[in-house]
This record gives sequence, C-alpha cells and structure tokens, in this order.
Amino acid sequence: DIQLTQSPSFLSASVGDRVTITCRASQGISSYLAWYQQKPGKAPKLLIYAASTLQSGVPSRFSGSGSGTEFTLTISSLQPEDFATYYCQQLNSYPRTFGPGTKVDIK
Amino acid sequence: QVQLQQWGAGLLKPSETLSLTCAVYGGSFSGYYWSWIRQPPGKGLEWIGEINHSGSTNYNPSLKSRVTISVDTSKNQFSLKLSSVTAADTAVYYCARVQVTMVRGARGRYGMDVWGQGTTVTVSS
Repeated sequence: DIQLTQSPSFLSASVGDRVTITCRASQGISSYLAWYQQKPGKAPKLLIYAASTLQSGVPSRFSGSGSGTEFTLTISSLQPEDFATYYCQQLNSYPRTFGPGTKVDIK
Repeated sequence: QVQLQQWGAGLLKPSETLSLTCAVYGGSFSGYYWSWIRQPPGKGLEWIGEINHSGSTNYNPSLKSRVTISVDTSKNQFSLKLSSVTAADTAVYYCARVQVTMVRGARGRYGMDVWGQGTTVTVSS
C-alpha cells in the first residue's frame, strides 16, 4: 500500500495567514493526488484534484502543487470558514489511501 | 446537480452484517466509479472499495474477505455489505462518486467529487 504522511498534523493560524500543508507519498504517484476539506459532522469536500486542479466552485485562495512523492496545499489568505481538517488522498494505485489529516485551528 | 443519498441500519451486534445503500439522483450513473469510505470516531478516512456501472469492483485488501459492493443500475443505486462486524467497524460510512475527467490530456480518476451525507454505524452487544 502507498502510505501518505501529512505535516503538520495540527496548525494554529489566524485569519489572513498564508497556510501550507505538505503531503508525502511512500512511492511515486505522479499527479494522482486529491485534497479534501472536512468540517465536524460533515462529509469531506473535494478541493483539489490531479495535484493542482481546482475543483469547480472552490475559492481561488486554495491551490495545490507537486508531483511524484511531495505535494502541498496552500491557502493564500485563511478565512474563518477554512478552519477544518484537510486530508490528502492518492488515486494512483489500489488500495486508495488517505493521509492522516491536518487540523487547522484558530490561533 | 448530482446528489447521493444513503441509508441503512445504524446499530448492529457483533457478527452481524452491515448493509448500506446509496442512491444517485440528478446525474448519470454510468461512466463513473462509486465508492465507500468510512471514518471511525475521531479518526481519519479509510477507503473500503468501489464499483462501476458494469459491476467491476476494487476492494481494500484489509477488508476484502468481508466486503461486497454491488450495483443496481435499474435504480441508480449501489450497496455495501460488510460481514462479521466487530466494534472496530464502528464508524461513519460515506458513499462517494469518483470523478472521471481529462487532466493534461490524460483521462483518469482523480478525486471523489460528490459525497453522501454519511451514516453512523455502531457495533455493540
């Protein structure tokens, strides 16, 4: 199985901050990486697919980059509604796997 | 706009079979893969498996011996069965659509773009 690690696991930030989350894969996954946002009690929401493509309807302050084994999710200016947990997922091979999550909290 | 609505029993006893169904409304059923994902209380996401409209499946090896995912194209529904449940199977279970799209000239499955509302399943004696 491909293991995904995320760093940091917890992030405390203020509104307006630039936030970067890293996802590393245990082996190369090309660009088959997605990012999701999950709020308490809700289903995950797709933000970014194919490592860097913004899902329709997602604000442009979200961006993704990377390929191979290292990927980043950046929020250019954190908004109050962005406080949530973020997960990466690889769709390069089976079984599909998720990272352990990064919780973004209010400073 | 595509919506997924899921339902099934929320309280099971150990050794029973979990059974959930997800219905697809407002969009095409064919041409996609349809997935099940679960999330234990306070933990991360675990991919269970997926199926397409033709019935082709892929399962997580960690659950494969106990999982069956099936499809009913006449009703635009797909279902999950997980046998011999234990307390470790207690989780919120989600269904989701795997989007198929072209990216930089390559057609592929790149993310799960539509999710059901989730069903809380508790296994307790």
